[in-house]
Amino acid sequence: KQEVTQIPAALSVPEGENLVLNCSFTDSAIYNLQWFRQDPGKGLTSLLLIQSSQREQTSGRLNASLDKSSGRSTLYIAASQPGDSATYLCAVFGGGADGLTFGKGTHLIIQP
Amino acid sequence: GAGVSQSPSNKVTEKGKDVELRCDPISGHTALYWYRQSLGQGLEFLIYFQGNSAPDKSGLPSDRFSAERTGGSVSTLTIQRTQQEDSAVYLCASSPERGLRNEQYFGPGTRLTVT
Repeated sequence: KQEVTQIPAALSVPEGENLVLNCSFTDSAIYNLQWFRQDPGKGLTSLLLIQSSQREQTSGRLNASLDKSSGRSTLYIAASQPGDSATYLCAVFGGGADGLTFGKGTHLIIQP
Repeated sequence: GAGVSQSPSNKVTEKGKDVELRCDPISGHTALYWYRQSLGQGLEFLIYFQGNSAPDKSGLPSDRFSAERTGGSVSTLTIQRTQQEDSAVYLCASSPERGLRNEQYFGPGTRLTVT
């Protein structure tokens, strides 16, 4: 059974810092990996999707990498802003009749 | 364009009552998913539809849960004889296709409280 772990569980940094969120998964047989952000009381917003054949994806100040063979992904956030404060979730898709398997998230606070 | 919508946004019900949750996916998306987010369990996958068909219902927590999708669009998740442990946020997502490009777009969720 696929398991997804996110480290750290919580992170608080001053505005302007670059930061890295980590995600690991136990079964490397995935189709893709998706990073989401969730604001309090809201649904999930898709940030980046990396297909299994890709190594990284970039969107603005966000860069996600994927090392499928070692079961790891990182989300890099450059020049953090208070508006980046949210919970960041990593999820993998293994195909078949399954949905996404999620980690428990990293709760990020950017201090102004 | 319009995203995934869900209704109601909040539902409070008494233990033992039945509830119906609705999901309207993004137009043209063939795949639809239901998830549940609770404090103790995180986000868990419940069921997936390709068109109107659900190939595997084993992710549903108990036989009190059922789901259907009609016309390849709207889906309803029904919980019969609700229990307090059913209290959670129920999230729906849709995707244009399965496989490599299975980018899922989520609705705002329905917060269910069973008293």
